[in-house]
Amino acid sequence: LAKTTQPISMDSYEGQEVNITCSHNNIATNDYITWYQQFPSQGPRFIIQGYKTKVTNEVASLFIPADRKSSTLSLPRVSLSDTAVYYCLVEDLRNQGGKLIFGQGTELSVKP
Amino acid sequence: EPEVTQTPSHQVTQMGQEVILRCVPISNHLYFYWYRQILGQKVEFLVSFYNNEISEKSEIFDDQFSVERPDGSNFTLKIRSTKLEDSAMYFCASRLRLAGSADTQYFGPGTRLTVL
Repeated sequence: LAKTTQPISMDSYEGQEVNITCSHNNIATNDYITWYQQFPSQGPRFIIQGYKTKVTNEVASLFIPADRKSSTLSLPRVSLSDTAVYYCLVEDLRNQGGKLIFGQGTELSVKP
Repeated sequence: EPEVTQTPSHQVTQMGQEVILRCVPISNHLYFYWYRQILGQKVEFLVSFYNNEISEKSEIFDDQFSVERPDGSNFTLKIRSTKLEDSAMYFCASRLRLAGSADTQYFGPGTRLTVL
């Protein structure tokens, strides 16, 4: 599984766009990039997943450059409730077991 | 939206006692997982379960741990003789996992285990 590196923490203010970049230099052809969100004392929650280019859903956008060695999670107009830890993971869909390997994540703090 | 449920939300036990943590995965899902998160640390994989058997386990998942799917809905994690260092949040997860498809794991709210 490709190792991921992301900032330990980020600060933002309400209403701003937040971009969290993750590097995964050793990503393999069959790997997908997945982002999860975790609030204190809760289970991780899926945000978005992509393979290449851009993916958008009602919560976030995910930008993946052509070389796929990094990805950027974009949260538009954050609010206080977006304060959480955000995890970037790389998954090999050929792995039937499908375990997730979490890093330390990025602790996002949104201030009023 | 379907969700994974876990009981109890909080379990307090004495060192050396057995505990059983219970999970009800999403009904049509095929793969089931247990993870744990020690306070202030990252989420760690314990075990995955498919077709009524363990498909993968981590080095944390030693002989003190076992998993079972006793019926069509429940998925349990048993710790036979708890240690102080077993104190953590335990998360159950499930996924549908159709071959070659991109899907996600759905996590339950967790059980906070406190070993005294």
